[in-house]
Amino acid sequence: DVQMTQSLSYLAASPGESVSISCKASKSISNYLAWYQQKPGEAYKLLIYSGSTLQSGTPSRFSGSGSGTDFTLTIRSLEPEDFGLYYCQQYYEKPLTFGSGTKLEIK
Amino acid sequence: EVQLVETGGGLVQPGKSLKLTCATSGFTFSNAWMDWVRQSPEKQLEWVAQIKDKSNNYATYYAESVKGRFTISRDDSKSSVYLQMNSLKEEDTAIYYCTYGYNLFDYWGQGVMVTVSS
Repeated sequence: DVQMTQSLSYLAASPGESVSISCKASKSISNYLAWYQQKPGEAYKLLIYSGSTLQSGTPSRFSGSGSGTDFTLTIRSLEPEDFGLYYCQQYYEKPLTFGSGTKLEIK
Repeated sequence: EVQLVETGGGLVQPGKSLKLTCATSGFTFSNAWMDWVRQSPEKQLEWVAQIKDKSNNYATYYAESVKGRFTISRDDSKSSVYLQMNSLKEEDTAIYYCTYGYNLFDYWGQGVMVTVSS
């Protein structure tokens, strides 16, 4: 199975700051990488797929980069609504696997 | 608007069974690949099962942790997908989400809680 590692489980930042969340795959997954956001009381939301393609409706302050084994989700100029849980997921092969999540909180 | 609504969760004893239902609307269900994903109390996400569409012979896939115990099925006439869970274990305790996508999860339901405990 492809293991997905999000090394930071918790990240605190202030509105207006920029943050990056990393995700590492245990083997090359090309660009078959998605990022999801979960906010309390809301459904999970797909933010980015194919490593860097923004899903319709994802604000442009979000960006994704990387290929192979190392990926990064960057959020520029944090807005209050950006705080929540973020997960990466590989869809290169089954079983489909997720990172352990990074909780982004307001400092 | 895409809607996915899960029902059927609850408290169940180890070894017992439970069936989850996901009713959908807002997209062409018959063409969709449907998945179940669960989130443990520790917030870890785990893909559980997938069922493809008719053109892919309704092929099914399972996580190793549930293979042989869980069965995913669908009824295109009702735009619904199901998860039959047998021989439940305490480690199956989680929020179960119905999702729609093609190996990634474009849309998610709100989830339904399943608690396995004696």
